[in-house]
Amino acid sequence: NVMLTQPHSVSGSPGMTITISCTRSSGSIASNYVQWYQKRPGSSPITVIYEDDQRPSGVPDRFSGSVDISSNSASLTISGLETEDEAEYYCQSFDRSHGMFGGGTRVTVL
Amino acid sequence: QVQLLQSGAEVKKPGSSVKVSCKASGGTFSNYSISWVRQVPGQGLEWMGEIIPLYVTPNYAQRFQDRVAITADESTSTVHMELSSLTSEDTALYFCARWGSPYCSGDCPGYFQHWGQGTLVTVTS
Repeated sequence: NVMLTQPHSVSGSPGMTITISCTRSSGSIASNYVQWYQKRPGSSPITVIYEDDQRPSGVPDRFSGSVDISSNSASLTISGLETEDEAEYYCQSFDRSHGMFGGGTRVTVL
Repeated sequence: QVQLLQSGAEVKKPGSSVKVSCKASGGTFSNYSISWVRQVPGQGLEWMGEIIPLYVTPNYAQRFQDRVAITADESTSTVHMELSSLTSEDTALYFCARWGSPYCSGDCPGYFQHWGQGTLVTVTS
């Protein structure tokens, strides 16, 4: 089965820039778009990036996404880290029409 | 404004089944894929399957294929997810989510644009 692998946790101080990776185990990362969702306990997920690098309206431009074919991975970058960014972040894509999520990355603001 | 309203929390015994509903309001119901995503406590999000009501035939994740059934009722704009042969490992928060582009999901641009509020299913003897 194809998997999306994320680091378990990433931390940073307010104002810093952090990057979360999402590596596809097989098949090209470019074969399907990658989305990123922010998830807080007890709440529904919120999209912060869609179609690799697009930001929904209302999401701060501190959030950006990219794809690197050479490493077969996608990345979510949060710049100017704020305390409100503390949450879990999940990458999501598809493999042969079946949805899949990465294991999630816990972002801690120190 | 699209809204997805899910049914309330459930407590079930091992070996039984649970049926969770997701009622859509606002926008067109039939043309958009609705997926079910669950989160087991302490674990990540997991995609279970989807249905585009217009096309009727659901699409299931391999690990749930034998015991999940996703159906759509166009008369009430509701999608149902029934999970059978429950074990304690099925204790989770279950979400429905609507894809943002019509007539497709994984093979087209878009994202899970609208989410239900979540339904807690507890499996306990």
